[in-house]
Amino acid sequence: DAGVIQSPRHEVTEMGQEVTLRCKPISGHNSLFWYRQTMMRGLELLIYFNNNVPIDDSGMPEDRFSAKMPNASFSTLKIQPSEPRDSAVYFCASSPLGQGHNSPLHFGNGTRLTVT
Amino acid sequence: AQKVTQAQTEISVVEKEDVTLDCVYETRDTTYYLFWYKQPPSGELVFLIRRNSFDEQNEISGRYSWNFQKSTSSFNFTITASQVVDSAVYFCALSEANRDDKIIFGKGTRLHILP
Repeated sequence: DAGVIQSPRHEVTEMGQEVTLRCKPISGHNSLFWYRQTMMRGLELLIYFNNNVPIDDSGMPEDRFSAKMPNASFSTLKIQPSEPRDSAVYFCASSPLGQGHNSPLHFGNGTRLTVT
Repeated sequence: AQKVTQAQTEISVVEKEDVTLDCVYETRDTTYYLFWYKQPPSGELVFLIRRNSFDEQNEISGRYSWNFQKSTSSFNFTITASQVVDSAVYFCALSEANRDDKIIFGKGTRLHILP
């Protein structure tokens, strides 16, 4: 079991640039979550998918953020254009069961994003 | 609305002392799940425990124990005989059964175990 794989581990970019974060969930897991962690706001749920379908994106800060899950083994979180306040650690997580099962999440190691 | 409060932002104890991390939650649902996660200095988030709202039995796993009390909406976590390796940020989280697996986290408690 390779676990949830996120790339890149670190990303440094300039304000205004497009940033794409990638996630490969654990094989067989039905749900995928994107979280953002900052000192001020802690762990915030941005969006989550079940069976590749976005279920709740109410946590996405604004239109600059978008997320896709084109298949069961891959998801992206895109920020365009990026701003310094987007600097944070972005975590992807997956869980094995679908809606209503409230399974524990398996987290990736996160992507540390710095926007200068 | 779901809410998780971890009032202790940071705690420092000397090794071998016992320490309790507090977690208070708010929910209108009768069926919900509570979680604890650990985030060591390396940054990954590690699942520790899940408890459903119908199971109020306390749980013990080695030096870790959890005290779930619905009457006070609390799910506290105790580490007995703490060790330096226990130093981490600990998160309490809540998921309501009819909220499509949405898990909301508290702000976390940073625990320092001093040698």
